[in-house]
Amino acid sequence: EDQVTQSPEALRLQEGESSSLNCSYTVSGLRGLFWYRQDPGKGPEFLFTLYSAGEEKEKERLKATLTKKESFLHITAPKPEDSATYLCAVQASAAGNKLTFGGGTRVLVKP
Amino acid sequence: DGGITQSPKYLFRKEGQNVTLSCEQNLNHDAMYWYRQDPGQGLRLIYYSQIVNDFQKGDIAEGYSVSREKKESFPLTVTSAQKNPTAFYLCASSDPRTSGNLYEQYFGPGTRLTVT
Repeated sequence: EDQVTQSPEALRLQEGESSSLNCSYTVSGLRGLFWYRQDPGKGPEFLFTLYSAGEEKEKERLKATLTKKESFLHITAPKPEDSATYLCAVQASAAGNKLTFGGGTRVLVKP
Repeated sequence: DGGITQSPKYLFRKEGQNVTLSCEQNLNHDAMYWYRQDPGQGLRLIYYSQIVNDFQKGDIAEGYSVSREKKESFPLTVTSAQKNPTAFYLCASSDPRTSGNLYEQYFGPGTRLTVT
């Protein structure tokens, strides 16, 4: 069974304090790993797709990396507007178009 | 503007009543999905449809039903058989031909259903 575990569950940061979120996964053949941002009461917003170990993607203060067992979302010098829940999801080779989501990490950036 | 719309944003129902949640997309996507999100938890797949007139059960389909009569629409009915229907429901769509990314899913704004 495909599994995705995100840690920590919650993260409180001071503005400018860089940190990393972890997404550990177990899948039978990874097709892709996805990062989404979700604001309270809204639908997830797509951030990145990573396909193979060693791949990295960047967008503003966010950088996602991928190894064979986990992915990291690095937040560099965060601002209060980076406060959100960050969701990780994987797509397995045998799962068709289905995604398996982790529980998310709630990030609060204080000014 | 292209996108996914879900209505209504908030929905209240009495226990024992069926309720239908609307999901419409104008992205010309073939695949559509319904997820459920409970507080502090990730998304769980209820049903998905890869093409019109076809759909498959996800991980938690019991107590739910769907139809896919049009490419643009994928309504979800929460039946009285669903034991814990109160949740945040999210609709999504994807299409590799238009997104340029084989599996990227775009989400709607969600419907918060409260059953008392």
